[in-house]
Amino acid sequence: NAGVTQTPKFRVLKTGQSMTLLCAQDMNHEYMYWYRQDPGMGLRLIHYSVGEGTTAKGEVPDGYNVSRLKKQNFLLGLESAAPSQTSVYFCASRLTGPTYEQYFGPGTRLTVT
Amino acid sequence: AQTVTQSQPEMSVQEAETVTLSCTYDTSESDYYLFWYKQPPSRQMILVIRQEAYKQQNATENRFSVNFQKAAKSFSLKISDSQLGDAAMYFCAIWGTYKYIFGTGTRLKVLA
Repeated sequence: NAGVTQTPKFRVLKTGQSMTLLCAQDMNHEYMYWYRQDPGMGLRLIHYSVGEGTTAKGEVPDGYNVSRLKKQNFLLGLESAAPSQTSVYFCASRLTGPTYEQYFGPGTRLTVT
Repeated sequence: AQTVTQSQPEMSVQEAETVTLSCTYDTSESDYYLFWYKQPPSRQMILVIRQEAYKQQNATENRFSVNFQKAAKSFSLKISDSQLGDAAMYFCAIWGTYKYIFGTGTRLKVLA
């Protein structure tokens, strides 16, 4: 049981390049989330999904797109990276129901130069 | 809209002493849930404790307890007998309608 995994763990991009971050979970969770963490800003929700084939915008969705084609995978895409997207990105998943905790991946550190 | 405020960017505590981390929140929902997460230097997020808003009794998990004041919309975390391994960022979060909203975090330093 690997829990929540993220690929890659580190990445450096040049401004304007694109990339996709992959999140995978093997716990059969319905809900999945993408956050970014910046110093002094805490965790801010980018996009989330409440089930296969569904996605919704969070607090800071601009510049990102997501897809949830399979229940176990949640992809975060940057079409044209900007230095403001330099951050640590976390994926998380959880069961339905309000009392359940979120399980987080180890994070991806992305630097855009 | 829901908001979570952690007004203490950094706190220090002597080993074996007690420390309280503050959190206030705002929500228009009647049914919600509150959480404290810990993020050590490894970056891995770990659930510390959770509180159902409809329960008046404060949650406790070993050395960790909360002081939940619903009318004041306050949800503080008390760590007793602090240990070096408690040094981390601590995030308060509220759950409502499919998602969490997190505070900006409090960095806790534990002094030997």
